[in-house]
Amino acid sequence: ETGVTQTPRHLVMGMTNKKSLKCEQHLGHNAMYWYKQSAKKPLELMFVYNFKEQTENNSVPSRFSPECPNSSHLFLHLHTLQPEDSALYLCASSIGLAGDTDTQYFGPGTRLTVL
Amino acid sequence: QQQVKQSPQSLIVQKGGISIINCAYENTAFDYFPWYQQFPGKGPALLIAIRPDVSEKKEGRFTISFNKSAKQFSLHIMDSQPGDSATYFCAASPNFGNEKLTFGTGTRLTIIP
Repeated sequence: ETGVTQTPRHLVMGMTNKKSLKCEQHLGHNAMYWYKQSAKKPLELMFVYNFKEQTENNSVPSRFSPECPNSSHLFLHLHTLQPEDSALYLCASSIGLAGDTDTQYFGPGTRLTVL
Repeated sequence: QQQVKQSPQSLIVQKGGISIINCAYENTAFDYFPWYQQFPGKGPALLIAIRPDVSEKKEGRFTISFNKSAKQFSLHIMDSQPGDSATYFCAASPNFGNEKLTFGTGTRLTIIP
């Protein structure tokens, strides 16, 4: 177990629905990330939080809204999604933002299907 | 524009053989190059990483070779085992950081007995 949990593991939603993805880390890390993984496409970094402050928003559409109430929890609020948003959404955490010393630990992901 | 190009898309290697996956990048500001391993139903896990001040890094059966002038780096898996069957992703970022990691498209590796 990596210590990063994500719920739900699977989600099916209509384009008019509002849903939220939850990520929790039990590793005492300060940085948390959302990634989108689509088939045959590179893993896309969406958002980065460090000490609850957003440090990176990788030109993500506003229908995705992140929330980081504390260093252990990260949410991704979804509304008015499109079918092309169907993907595996991965959460990760690390002690800090230094790549060579602060390893990112990934959760198992939430498989999202938008109908 | 894809900033990190990874090849091949899939690879089949016999048990005991050497698996080689290649990546090329364009952004000369990149200075941190990790490789991730992902098993079905799991998130990626950091396998090994290199900084451009060295040309090679070895950890057990896994080796990264780095060619700064060619802007290429590769993962070599020696004595490949069935348990190595997974998808491998290369990535790159500037400022030795995690904030702006750019990933390759992945290589599905299958080790056959």
